[in-house]
Amino acid sequence: DTEVTQTPKHLVMGMTNKKSLKCEQHMGHRAMYWYKQKAKKPPELMFVYSYEKLSINESVPSRFSPECPNSSLLNLHLHALQPEDSALYLCASRPRLAGGPNTGELFFGEGSRLTVL
Amino acid sequence: DAKTTQPTSMDCAEGRAANLPCNHSTISGNEYVYWYRQIHSQGPQYIIHGLKNNETNEMASLIITEDRKSSTLILPHATLRDTAVYYCIVRVLNTGNQFYFGTGTSLTVIP
Repeated sequence: DTEVTQTPKHLVMGMTNKKSLKCEQHMGHRAMYWYKQKAKKPPELMFVYSYEKLSINESVPSRFSPECPNSSLLNLHLHALQPEDSALYLCASRPRLAGGPNTGELFFGEGSRLTVL
Repeated sequence: DAKTTQPTSMDCAEGRAANLPCNHSTISGNEYVYWYRQIHSQGPQYIIHGLKNNETNEMASLIITEDRKSSTLILPHATLRDTAVYYCIVRVLNTGNQFYFGTGTSLTVIP
């Protein structure tokens, strides 16, 4: 299995809703990433998890709450979002290569397209 | 953190080589250069990466200048399926291993 699976593919939510995005990989990767991508813009890094611990938070507003319950699963909990948070949310994972520089590339999922009304 | 700059768009004739440049003038000695591409609204796809030596794989070649301040991705025989946005990325090697995307080049392969 060489895939990163993201669900749902599409999500529409109101500003008062609470929803979650899910990302799953079964490649044994121990680093996982969340990116946000607005239309016609490059992906922007949000969070990095390493060995199920949050290692990087790129000053993301607290209405986005990541969670890594185990090594295969990464969630992004959404609460009280704004319309400007509408975007494609991309998850990625990275292998840790033994014996030398850690040069593993990111494997991306197809993304969850979020619309906030 | 190193940043990258790329031309906004480029065209290439089908069957010809596509040369996509990237500037990363503030790159540090242990930071890798990665290239990804993204076809409309899909997840980014890995192409190639390098540190200081030129690299080649089945998809592309990566030429990195000696001072490491710029690089060029070469698609040797562009096809229509290579039409995509190509991103040059500097990978920060620390506990976070952040990958920061550049602005990207929209490559259109013309029949």
